[in-house]
Amino acid sequence: RKEVEQDPGPFNVPEGATVAFNCTYSNSASQSFFWYRQDCRKEPKLLMSVYSSGNEDGRFTAQLNRASQYISLLIRDSKLSDSATYLCVAGGNYQLIWGAGTKLIIKP
Amino acid sequence: DTEVTQTPKHLVMGMTNKKSLKCEQHMGHRAMYWYKQKAKKPPELMFVYSYEKLSINESVPSRFSPECPNSSLLNLHLHALQPEDSALYLCASSQGTPTYEQYFGPGTRLTVT
Repeated sequence: RKEVEQDPGPFNVPEGATVAFNCTYSNSASQSFFWYRQDCRKEPKLLMSVYSSGNEDGRFTAQLNRASQYISLLIRDSKLSDSATYLCVAGGNYQLIWGAGTKLIIKP
Repeated sequence: DTEVTQTPKHLVMGMTNKKSLKCEQHMGHRAMYWYKQKAKKPPELMFVYSYEKLSINESVPSRFSPECPNSSLLNLHLHALQPEDSALYLCASSQGTPTYEQYFGPGTRLTVT
């Protein structure tokens, strides 16, 4: 079992729709969780940290479910510019553990 | 608008060349990282420097040699690379331990011929 698992997609979503990604992690001792966004041939950029209480930043909402060991990302009113790969990341024992990413394509 | 800068943006080198990648961060972070990323894969950790000391080496071949001259600078010296080493090399930094948020530079796209 991979340490951090994500559906690779692609998710093809019409502009303006709401889309949700889930990600599961295997290390129950993980204390930090993040979503990164990566555009083609660019560096990963931190989108959000994920807190136990959940957090929201504009159109983006992240949730953590420790009991089931998954984190989620919800994007509302999706824009063409949201097209990217979204990487789920969990803090391991001494490094970040990266999921393989979920590709999102927003269609006009 | 990145506060982690990397040079060069692109590098093409032969298998007998020696070259260096450079990274500088302007955020006062005390941990810096080198990652390697192949197409359609997540970043793969190579080295971690914490307070200017090498703390993690993820069994990287000796043809990659990191150096941390000070808390803002990180170099990666390359020698006798193989074509399979062609990848995007990313530098990152974080405030504290490696499980904190990490901020990435734009990367160096390396091609080994």
